[in-house]
Amino acid sequence: GAVVSQHPSRVICKSGTSVKIECRSLDFQATTMFWYRQFPKQSLMLMATSNEGSKATYEQGVEKDKFLINHASLTLSTLTVTSAHPEDSSFYICSARAPAGASSGYTFGSGTRLTVV
Amino acid sequence: RKEVEQDPGPFNVPEGATVAFNCTYSNSASQSFFWYRQDCRKEPKLLMSVYSSGNEDGRFTAQLNRASQYISLLIRDSKLSDSATYLCVVNDKGGYQKVTFGTGTKLQVIP
Repeated sequence: GAVVSQHPSRVICKSGTSVKIECRSLDFQATTMFWYRQFPKQSLMLMATSNEGSKATYEQGVEKDKFLINHASLTLSTLTVTSAHPEDSSFYICSARAPAGASSGYTFGSGTRLTVV
Repeated sequence: RKEVEQDPGPFNVPEGATVAFNCTYSNSASQSFFWYRQDCRKEPKLLMSVYSSGNEDGRFTAQLNRASQYISLLIRDSKLSDSATYLCVVNDKGGYQKVTFGTGTKLQVIP
């Protein structure tokens, strides 16, 4: 089936530094990937839609200069949290629409738990 | 009103019980609907898509009511392993348009 690989799975960084999270579609091409954030006991919140070869589309309230998204190839999208602060600590998950023929719906990366200290 | 609403629970049910969750959505133009399961501190995984005619997968049955704008998930003969949070997911349009998650309903199956 469609597999999305995300890493790192866990990262601890100092306040003010930047962190890059990678999301790869392993056995299919994903022209579009989605980035979500999930705070404890809350739902997944869509942050942005990553489009291969073009600019990402950000949801209202998400700072595009803080959360840099790059989708340079059909199998790789990256999210960089710049100048991270403790309030950015969260669970970040990417997903892509499963290709035709696979199970329908969206397939998710395993998530990245970011802790900013 | 939230775009996708679910009762957060928790639903505490004994093994073998039947339990049902509902999810309401506000956008009447929504086209695709899914139920996902999320275990604690893990990524969501697709449980089943929801079709207009209703669909069943083993102990799980999903229904869609477009007129009332809700979807439901029925779990029969609950197992301990069913304990998780169940997320209702709505896609506003076909293709790659906006996907909205409900807050999830927590299920705890008790021995």
